[in-house]
Amino acid sequence: NAGVTQTPKFRVLKTGQSMTLLCAQDMNHEYMYWYRQDPGMGLRLIHYSVGEGTTAKGEVPDGYNVSRLKKQNFLLGLESAAPSQTSVYFCASSNGPSGANVLTFGAGSRLTVL
Amino acid sequence: AQSVAQPEDQVNVAEGNPLTVKCTYSVSGNPYLFWYVQYPNRGLQFLLKYITGDNLVKGSYGFEAEFNKSQTSFHLKKPSALVSDSALYFCAVRDTGYALNFGKGTSLLVTP
Repeated sequence: NAGVTQTPKFRVLKTGQSMTLLCAQDMNHEYMYWYRQDPGMGLRLIHYSVGEGTTAKGEVPDGYNVSRLKKQNFLLGLESAAPSQTSVYFCASSNGPSGANVLTFGAGSRLTVL
Repeated sequence: AQSVAQPEDQVNVAEGNPLTVKCTYSVSGNPYLFWYVQYPNRGLQFLLKYITGDNLVKGSYGFEAEFNKSQTSFHLKKPSALVSDSALYFCAVRDTGYALNFGKGTSLLVTP
């Protein structure tokens, strides 16, 4: 049972390039989330989804887009990467709203934008 | 918005000694509080949560947390620290809607 799998684990981009981070979960969870982790700032929610075909903005959505075409997958896209998007990105999923349910996290994707 | 604060960036403790990692919260209404742990190069793992009930919550790996409404605190504790407990610890609180708001994290270092 893999849980939450993120690909790629590492990526280096040049400013202005685009890329997509893939998150896949095999627990049949309805809710999925993308967070970014920066030193001294904890985790900040970028976007989330409460079910297949739905997405919503979190605390820091600017510069990112997401899609949830299949229940098990949640994609995070950067259309035009900026150095400020250098961060570690975590995907998470839960059976219900994160406010009352346990989040299961992926191992993270480290992105560097030069 | 609901928020938590972790006043210590780092906590150092000797192996075998009790440890405390502090968290205070600011919410309107009843708080839903969580502790997560992050080991190096890993994602966060759930430790324990408080939603309602007993003020002392027991969690994974021998950790527990005490909910104190009068002091608006939810400190994480363990009676006897292990070197393997060294990690980054995050307190979190339910925000309005679906979000979970995390604190900035406290790095715990347990020395032999």
